[in-house]
Amino acid sequence: NAGVTQTPKFQVLKTGQSMTLQCAQDMNHEYMSWYRQDPGMGLRLIHYSVGAGITDQGEVPNGYNVSRSTTEDFPLRLLSAAPSQTSVYFCASSNQGIIYGYTFGSGTRLTVV
Amino acid sequence: AQSVAQPEDQVNVAEGNPLTVKCTYSVSGNPYLFWYVQYPNRGLQFLLKYITGDNLVKGSYGFEAEFNKSQTSFHLKKPSALVSDSALYFCAVRDMKTGANNLFFGTGTRLTVIP
Repeated sequence: NAGVTQTPKFQVLKTGQSMTLQCAQDMNHEYMSWYRQDPGMGLRLIHYSVGAGITDQGEVPNGYNVSRSTTEDFPLRLLSAAPSQTSVYFCASSNQGIIYGYTFGSGTRLTVV
Repeated sequence: AQSVAQPEDQVNVAEGNPLTVKCTYSVSGNPYLFWYVQYPNRGLQFLLKYITGDNLVKGSYGFEAEFNKSQTSFHLKKPSALVSDSALYFCAVRDMKTGANNLFFGTGTRLTVIP
């Protein structure tokens, strides 16, 4: 089915480890973004991309890197995991901007111990 | 500075009764306003939006929202609640701080519909 696919669904990391959260969409959407969801804080934007080769920072980018080498993929890298990065991460994509609504993936629940 | 406030963390309503989930906002210029719903262990789903035009906007699953410019509110409503409406609801505005294609979300309201 068409949509946004996130892997893995669950992950436990030790402090200082690195990992990549994968996000892929098959809808040919130009816009993609990463949010983190924390209790009582809603969703906060980490990084976003308006097309292949173009990325930019959101509200909470520190500790995360992204790249966009293809239209389909938008991986999120944690360089050195910290307990403060324990969260649920959502990837979203959109065609031609927000007025058509975002399509969200089902999320990655990350625990850093 | 932009902001989105969802003043109620939790809303309980009996099945069959009307429901309202409140949202107020503060933005510069004309607001683009959205409601999303999150069911357990799922990503968010788009419900409805206000960009321009009629103040009453109709969306998915029988939900509607009323844009009130003078009160800077965009409350989500449904005439008759279903148990299956129980979920986490997020109000959002266009995020002019980080980019016009980005959304700035409120903290969410958990709706519980009691059978």
